[in-house]
Amino acid sequence: QSVLTQPPSASGTPGQRVTISCSGSSSNIGTNTVNWYQQLPGTAPKLLIYTNNQRPSGVPDRFSGSKSGTSASLAISGLQSGDEAVYYCAAWDDSLNDVLFGGGTKLTVL
Amino acid sequence: QVQLVQSGAEVKKPGSSVKVSCKASGGTFSSYAISWVRQAPGQGLEWMGRIIPILGVANYAQKFQGRVTITADKSTSTAYMELSSLRSEDTAVYYCARDSLTVAPGHFDYWGQGTLVTVSS
Repeated sequence: QSVLTQPPSASGTPGQRVTISCSGSSSNIGTNTVNWYQQLPGTAPKLLIYTNNQRPSGVPDRFSGSKSGTSASLAISGLQSGDEAVYYCAAWDDSLNDVLFGGGTKLTVL
Repeated sequence: QVQLVQSGAEVKKPGSSVKVSCKASGGTFSSYAISWVRQAPGQGLEWMGRIIPILGVANYAQKFQGRVTITADKSTSTAYMELSSLRSEDTAVYYCARDSLTVAPGHFDYWGQGTLVTVSS
């Protein structure tokens, strides 16, 4: 069971906006920055959002991140079929001295 | 263009050890950390530990303490992850990833292609 809690699934239709939540605690999200990863089927994860809300070069601005207290969210607007993937949040935990990942959210585009 | 190229798939017997390599190119090896993350079949991501090559200092996830050793060879820009006392539950794809030194660990901007380790008798 992951210490960072994500919903196991999310869905939306093309063009819609979806959000994926990531809930933690004061020792991880409450203190440290959150990063988000996208994993397409059969591929290595890809950094999607870093430091809560920053996009690496090449990531469309349809993807955005936010953090408040001990929770974070990933929002995807203008949903496309190519966005079907598993999305993971990650943060350092000061108590465990570990990088924690959420359990992953499988996004389906209907 | 930063690239992390990992060694090939391995099949191991329970109780044995495996050593996976990760060769970096296109960047400054000593300016970053290298983390190892694994993914069991159909499961999520799990951080195992990381090394800061310029210091030669590694730290490990609590779950793997005593069973994993991460090293780095600055002369060849290669990091290694050795996992011992293998059991069937260690069957997974093992990834190396470049990790920032300017923020808290967990900022993995480049990933290797993954190495499948199968533990089976």
